Amino acid sequence: ELKVEQNPLFLSMQEGKNYTIYCNYSTTSDRLYWYRQDPGKSLESLFVLLSNGAVKQEGRLMASLDTKARLSTLHITAAVHDLSATYFCAVDTRDTDKLIFGTGTRLQVFP
Amino acid sequence: DVKVTQSSRYLVKRTGEKVFLECVQDMDHENMFWYRQDPGLGLRLIYFSYDVKMKEKGDIPEGYSVSREKKERFSLILESASTNQTSMYLCATGVAFFPYEQYFGPGTRLTVT
Repeated sequence: ELKVEQNPLFLSMQEGKNYTIYCNYSTTSDRLYWYRQDPGKSLESLFVLLSNGAVKQEGRLMASLDTKARLSTLHITAAVHDLSATYFCAVDTRDTDKLIFGTGTRLQVFP
Repeated sequence: DVKVTQSSRYLVKRTGEKVFLECVQDMDHENMFWYRQDPGLGLRLIYFSYDVKMKEKGDIPEGYSVSREKKERFSLILESASTNQTSMYLCATGVAFFPYEQYFGPGTRLTVT
């Protein structure tokens, strides 16, 4: 059974600081997705990582994928308040179009 | 842009009532999904559908059923609502080819009293 674990579950960080969210998964997969959810809103796609070594960047967020370690990271550089949200990683099950989601990391950025 | 709409943003129902949640997409995607989201548990897949009149159980199908009579519409049915079905329900749609990305609707927050 594919399991996806994120840590930390909650992250409170000061503006301007850097931090990394980790996403570990338990079985082989080549596709990993990062989503953002603002309070009371739905999920918005951030990144789609499709191969080992893939790296994608958008503004202050950078995501990477290491399929051998079964690990993806979402790195936050010089955090700003607008990044406050919950971030989910999701892994596909390879044989189907289903995604298995992590529990989410709630990020709170304060001045 | 993919547009996924859900029939209600907020819904309050009584225990034992039959509840219909509807999802409509306008991008001709083959795949449609229903998830529920609960604090600390992330998103869990209830049912999904690859095509009209086709449905597959997800990880937590008990207490739910679905209907897909048209490609653009996917309904989630709670035959007899219970308080443990109080949750946020998210519909998603996606293409049936690489990279299989999913697009989410705004969600329905259902409270069963």
